[in-house]
Amino acid sequence: GENVEQHPSTLSVQEGDSAVIKCTYSDSASNYFPWYKQELGKGPQLIIDIRSNVGEKKDQRIAVTLNKTAKHFSLHITETQPEDSAVYFCAASGGSYIPTFGRGTSLIVHP
Amino acid sequence: DVKVTQSSRYLVKRTGEKVFLECVQDMDHENMFWYRQDPGLGLRLIYFSYDVKMKEKGDIPEGYSVSREKKERFSLILESASTNQTSMYLCATGDTNSPLHFGNGTRLTVT
Repeated sequence: GENVEQHPSTLSVQEGDSAVIKCTYSDSASNYFPWYKQELGKGPQLIIDIRSNVGEKKDQRIAVTLNKTAKHFSLHITETQPEDSAVYFCAASGGSYIPTFGRGTSLIVHP
Repeated sequence: DVKVTQSSRYLVKRTGEKVFLECVQDMDHENMFWYRQDPGLGLRLIYFSYDVKMKEKGDIPEGYSVSREKKERFSLILESASTNQTSMYLCATGDTNSPLHFGNGTRLTVT
């Protein structure tokens, strides 16, 4: 089955810096890669996603890149703000229709 | 907006009790999932259902069962609660290879 590795597990940055979270996957049949943000006391919410026919996607300060050959994808957050502090999860699906999640990254943005 | 409602935010139960966690969605999604979230372990799939009365085991089904009698409702059952089932439980719904929509979770404590 699919295996998704996510790094780092914790990321601490100063407000205004960029943050990058990386995920690798094992199943070459995976073709859908969402990213979720989980704020304290809430369930995860989709913030951006990418499909395997696209290499990069942007939405304001957030971007996701996908390298199918290397089987890795990354979340980039620019100009971080304290409200970006949360746990972020990557996921992959397609080979099986059940998404496989990474273990999460706790992002802390210091004012 | 998709709404996924979990019946309780917090539950405290005693060892050996039978526990029901309810999840209701309003978007007519075929797929529904139950995850367990523990620090450092990410989101682990307990059970999922792709249709009414259909269910499949996830990665950690031991000690749990599920029921899906209606499309909008997916219940997680702890037949005999144990202390190692103290955790955050998240319900999610979604179409295949599309974003998942999560509820806000039920924090269960078994004493």
